[in-house]
Amino acid sequence: EPEVTQTPSHQVTQMGQEVILRCVPISNHLYFYWYRQILGQKVEFLVSFYNNEISEKSEIFDDQFSVERPDGSNFTLKIRSTKLEDSAMYFCASSRLAGDLAKNIQYFGAGTRLSVL
Amino acid sequence: DAKTTQPNSMESNEEEPVHLPCNHSTISGTDYIHWYRQLPSQGPEYVIHGLTSNVNNRMASLAIAEDRKSSTLILHRATLRDAAVYYCLIRGNNRKLIWGLGTSLAVNP
Repeated sequence: EPEVTQTPSHQVTQMGQEVILRCVPISNHLYFYWYRQILGQKVEFLVSFYNNEISEKSEIFDDQFSVERPDGSNFTLKIRSTKLEDSAMYFCASSRLAGDLAKNIQYFGAGTRLSVL
Repeated sequence: DAKTTQPNSMESNEEEPVHLPCNHSTISGTDYIHWYRQLPSQGPEYVIHGLTSNVNNRMASLAIAEDRKSSTLILHRATLRDAAVYYCLIRGNNRKLIWGLGTSLAVNP
């Protein structure tokens, strides 16, 4: 069964450093998402991406964050200058384009645990 | 986005049915009801979704109240593998899923 893959599974970085989290969405999917989950808290939407541009972003997704689809398969989340509070699990998800987005199913990767020291 | 209310936690015994409730009184006519679950240390996983009629798939059943202000996820025979946090989400024709804290389901052997 096709799945969303994320690398690395765990990333440790120093505060102020840049990190890039990588995702390979399911191959025929056209919508891509990033979420984060701070330990013990809710899953929080960060950004959605379609047709090579951001469709929607949350207030969390500030100028420190960017997303890119550098080639036909990867989808990346970059955090420019990491802060301690960026420590969280980051989940990538993808979905097929459906006429009615309300019934679109999202498929999630296993996540990247980001630890900022 | 419509808000959902779920119990913080529930407990079940293995091989017994589990009914996980969700209230979504502010749902609008075109919103779909989605259920996802998150097993320990994993990403969320789609379970089921529906609009008005009850739905069945290989994982679960979804019973939707006639007024659509509430729904129930039914696991027909809980297994230890079903221990997870179950999220009920209401999704309109926008792109993002808004997550609550969900219901943490414990399954006793």
